[in-house]
Amino acid sequence: SQQGEEDPQALSIQEGENATMNCSYKTSINNLQWYRQNSGRGLVHLILIRSNEREKHSGRLRVTLDTSKKSSSLLITASRAADTASYFCATDGSNAGKSTFGDGTTLTVKP
Amino acid sequence: GAGVSQTPSNKVTEKGKYVELRCDPISGHTALYWYRQSLGQGPEFLIYFQGTGAADDSGLPNDRFFAVRPEGSVSTLKIQRTERGDSAVYLCASSLTRGDGYTFGSGTRLTVV
Repeated sequence: SQQGEEDPQALSIQEGENATMNCSYKTSINNLQWYRQNSGRGLVHLILIRSNEREKHSGRLRVTLDTSKKSSSLLITASRAADTASYFCATDGSNAGKSTFGDGTTLTVKP
Repeated sequence: GAGVSQTPSNKVTEKGKYVELRCDPISGHTALYWYRQSLGQGPEFLIYFQGTGAADDSGLPNDRFFAVRPEGSVSTLKIQRTERGDSAVYLCASSLTRGDGYTFGSGTRLTVV
């Protein structure tokens, strides 16, 4: 069973708009990661946020983590057509040593 | 190497045959992971190696699946008596150590006919 669940399942926006994706999980975690996947092949690591962190930035990406609500959000600002992809959150549980992925959010950015 | 390398990129095999999928992780990465992904779903965990040993193989679906990493670098995922339900993209990832972000390979698309 999947630990993380992304919401929404699909998101379509215009270039230049911001995109927000959410991830909820069930059990305590060491860290939470966000990945991007193009064309159903290899995933690209975007950001890792640890359980004692609340917010991280990387370029146009901002990730927040609320451990009390067991949720995270990924914000992509000033989106571009090249941001079109599937985005996955993955949680590394306290004793797991492995990350468990959700089923992703499919983002479409229209030029 | 610069990234995680998986071979072959595509594999078509007949039902009942044996297949081996290879993963060459980033040099120096001690942790190696195998996942598989079906269309429209997220990656599903199979097995995790820390060094040469399988630290967690709880995701292997049954005893037809086996993986090794004899020298703590290259890993091979072995599937015996393949079934059509084994068709998926098999993804390998490595990380410097446990708890770090993963670097994924491009995957092997396995099709069992």
